[in-house]
Amino acid sequence: AQSVTQLDSQVPVFEEAPVELRCNYSSSVSVYLFWYVQYPNQGLQLLLKYLSGSTLVKGINGFEAEFNKSQTSFHLRKPSVHISDTAEYFCAVTFNQGGKLIFGQGTELSVKP
Amino acid sequence: DAGVTQSPTHLIKTRGQQVTLRCSPKSGHDTVSWYQQALGQGPQFIFQYYEEEERQRGNFPDRFSGHQFPNYSSELNVNALLLGDSALYLCASSPGQGAGTEAFFGQGTRLTVV
Repeated sequence: AQSVTQLDSQVPVFEEAPVELRCNYSSSVSVYLFWYVQYPNQGLQLLLKYLSGSTLVKGINGFEAEFNKSQTSFHLRKPSVHISDTAEYFCAVTFNQGGKLIFGQGTELSVKP
Repeated sequence: DAGVTQSPTHLIKTRGQQVTLRCSPKSGHDTVSWYQQALGQGPQFIFQYYEEEERQRGNFPDRFSGHQFPNYSSELNVNALLLGDSALYLCASSPGQGAGTEAFFGQGTRLTVV
């Protein structure tokens, strides 16, 4: 069965420090990968997506992610975080047309001054 | 563009009751998906509607049903509510059925079952 695992439930980090949020997936077929952000009491906003091509994907708000097929990973990175990046981050995959998304459990990023 | 809009934003129901949640997709989008997000969890796929038909369904009981109207808006109905149905219900719309199509999410409806 296909699944998504986010390896860290909480990541505390100081402002202006780099951060990496880890995501691994399991699938026997080709995948499309996404990272979404959820601010308190809001819906999900797409940060970036990998469909094909270059394995390094750049998204909004200075985030980027690298697709590693051999390690079945899609880790999210930002070189310098801001207080405003404090939110819940979700990794998601879709395996077929139609776009049913399978989400990880989420990683709570807490940026401290 | 108003984006994806959901109503109501909050709802309190009693066990055994029935509830209807509504979703208007982003302009130009014809596909609507519904997700349940329990507290502290990632969203779980309930089902997806396209051309007024249910196209995909997740692992949810028949108490969960839906509908899509000709204007692409959608409803999620839950019968015989259980305490465990308390969650944030998210609607997502997308332009068609293409693989990797971006889904735009609404703000969600917070359902509390007491």
